[in-house]
Amino acid sequence: NAGVMQNPRHLVRRRGQEARLRCSPMKGHSHVYWYRQLPEEGLKFMVYLQKENIIDESGMPKERFSAEFPKEGPSILRIQQVVRGDSAAYFCASSRELTSPLHFGNGTRLTVT
Amino acid sequence: AQSVTQLDSQVPVFEEAPVELRCNYSSSVSVYLFWYVQYPNQGLQLLLKYLSGSTLVKGINGFEAEFNKSQTSFHLRKPSVHISDTAEYFCAVSLTQGAQKLVFGQGTRLTINP
Repeated sequence: NAGVMQNPRHLVRRRGQEARLRCSPMKGHSHVYWYRQLPEEGLKFMVYLQKENIIDESGMPKERFSAEFPKEGPSILRIQQVVRGDSAAYFCASSRELTSPLHFGNGTRLTVT
Repeated sequence: AQSVTQLDSQVPVFEEAPVELRCNYSSSVSVYLFWYVQYPNQGLQLLLKYLSGSTLVKGINGFEAEFNKSQTSFHLRKPSVHISDTAEYFCAVSLTQGAQKLVFGQGTRLTINP
């Protein structure tokens, strides 16, 4: 049973470009979370999704950031018009049930030049 | 709102020595408590968690933590560390109801020296 798969592992974008980060949860997991880790900081919650629904996006910046978890395919975190401050590691986690343990992916490290 | 403070940003320890990584939290409601480990360029792996019951929690890789409600602490300990324990350690809390919106501390970098 493969773990949480995130791709790409590393992503370099110039200021103003779009970044698309993908997350395939573990098999049988329908709850997906996105966290962001800025340099020298802990992880910060961004958004929680269940299949086709955004349940809680209280940690998402109000502009340029969006997330989806379609019925088929991976969850996508999309950042439009990236800025240098978006450089961070973005981690996805999934769980089978609401209170089941979270399993984290290895993250996508976004660098904005 | 909840918050987590890890009192040490870096902890250097010699191999086979004991180690304690300190974590204090703040919350006006009951929380669950967690310790995660992050090896270089990897995701987080759950070491242990406290949900209820016995305040001494045993986890993987020989780690344990003790929940102290009066001091709002959840310190992580290991009696004898190995080189392979070199990693970043994160303490986290979540509410006992609803989604698992973990609130993380800033992390403690544990470096094991031979």
